[in-house]
Parts: sequence; structure tokens; C-alpha cells
Amino acid sequence: AQKVTQAQTEISVVEKEDVTLDCVYETRDTTYYLFWYKQPPSGELVFLIRRNSFDEQNEISGRYSWNFQKSTSSFNFTITASQVVDSAVYFCALSEGPYSSASKIIFGSGTRLSIRP
Amino acid sequence: DAGVTQSPTHLIKTRGQQVTLRCSPKSGHDTVSWYQQALGQGPQFIFQYYEEEERQRGNFPDRFSGHQFPNYSSELNVNALLLGDSALYLCASSQDMGRLNSPLHFGNGTRLTVT
Repeated sequence: AQKVTQAQTEISVVEKEDVTLDCVYETRDTTYYLFWYKQPPSGELVFLIRRNSFDEQNEISGRYSWNFQKSTSSFNFTITASQVVDSAVYFCALSEGPYSSASKIIFGSGTRLSIRP
Repeated sequence: DAGVTQSPTHLIKTRGQQVTLRCSPKSGHDTVSWYQQALGQGPQFIFQYYEEEERQRGNFPDRFSGHQFPNYSSELNVNALLLGDSALYLCASSQDMGRLNSPLHFGNGTRLTVT
């Protein structure tokens, strides 16, 4: 069965601190995609990253970095030098199969991140 | 280039009524998916439309139905509304492109309140 677990319900840090959001997933497929989405108060889900199961390279994009480890079924997200604008709910998600646009996405329950000035 | 647009933004209905939500996909996208997001939870997949057909369906009752039009826009219909249907309904579009595929782009959602 597919499942995405975000054990951290809420995180609050002071601006400029680094913060890591944890994500653990379950799937029986060997081909799948993992995602992170950001949901600001406006409600729109903003796509951050998509990784396929065959690419375990970590990725860095500015202050954002992602650590994908198949051995532990984890796909963690780190924000370096956090800013108030990073405050949002972050969702980790999973889709099975080779075509993520054609597959349903299973979302975790989200982590609410608050960055205090 | 407009992204995914949904209407209306907010809606209040009474239990037992029917509701129709609308979605226009991002330009160039041909696949539309609908998700329900209850307060404090992650979105849950309702169904996906491609080439005017329902391609996949999540674990939702038949009260939830949809349609995709030739211009790729889509509607979500919910009949016999229950209080538990109160949620943010998100539409997402993507471009199927055969063996290539694009990530989903989400709209701002429609906030449905059932009283």
C-alpha cells in the first residue's frame, strides 16, 4: 500500500536557522516519484521538486536541498537560513508508476512551518 | 500565461444540495485531476480526466462525479452534500505528453462549506 508519513505536525524556528522536514514513504512499486509541495495561506499548492525512484542524487536549489535515501524510504527537505517567507504548510507526496502526470498523488498530512522573525 | 484557474473561490451550500465546481487547466495541459483537502489534512485524490474520460478514481462515493470538456476544462459535481464534504477542492493540471510527463500544477482551490 502507498503511504506518506510526515511525523512533524508543526515546526517553529527563528529566522536564519536551518530546518529539516522529514518524510517517510511506503510503496511496493520499484518505479515511483516523490514530490514536495508548499502551501501558503492562499491555498495554492506550489510545486517544489519531483524525483524519480531511480535518481538518488541529492539536489540543491538555492536555500533548499533534498536528501533522497531509498534504503530508509525517506525524502527529507532542508531549508538553510530560513526566512519568514518560508512559513507555510509543506507536503511530501508520492505517485506510483512511470508517468507521474497520469498517476494519482498520495500526500502526507503536511508539516506546518513557522519562521519567527 | 494563466495558470490553473478555479471558480468559484468560495461557496456555501446546505446539506442535501448539489454543487458544481469549475476548473480551467494551465495553457497546454490536457489532463485534469481533482483533490479534496479537509482542514488540517493533505489533499486526497478524487479522480483524473484525460481525453474527456475518467482515467482514474480515488476512494470517493458516486456522489462525486466529473466531466472534462473538449477544451480540457473540467467540472466537479457533488450531489446530496454532507457536512463532511466541507473542504478545499483543488484542481490540478498536467501535460500527458505520452511517455513524457509534467508535474502537476495546482489552482488556488474552491473552499466549500456545507451547513
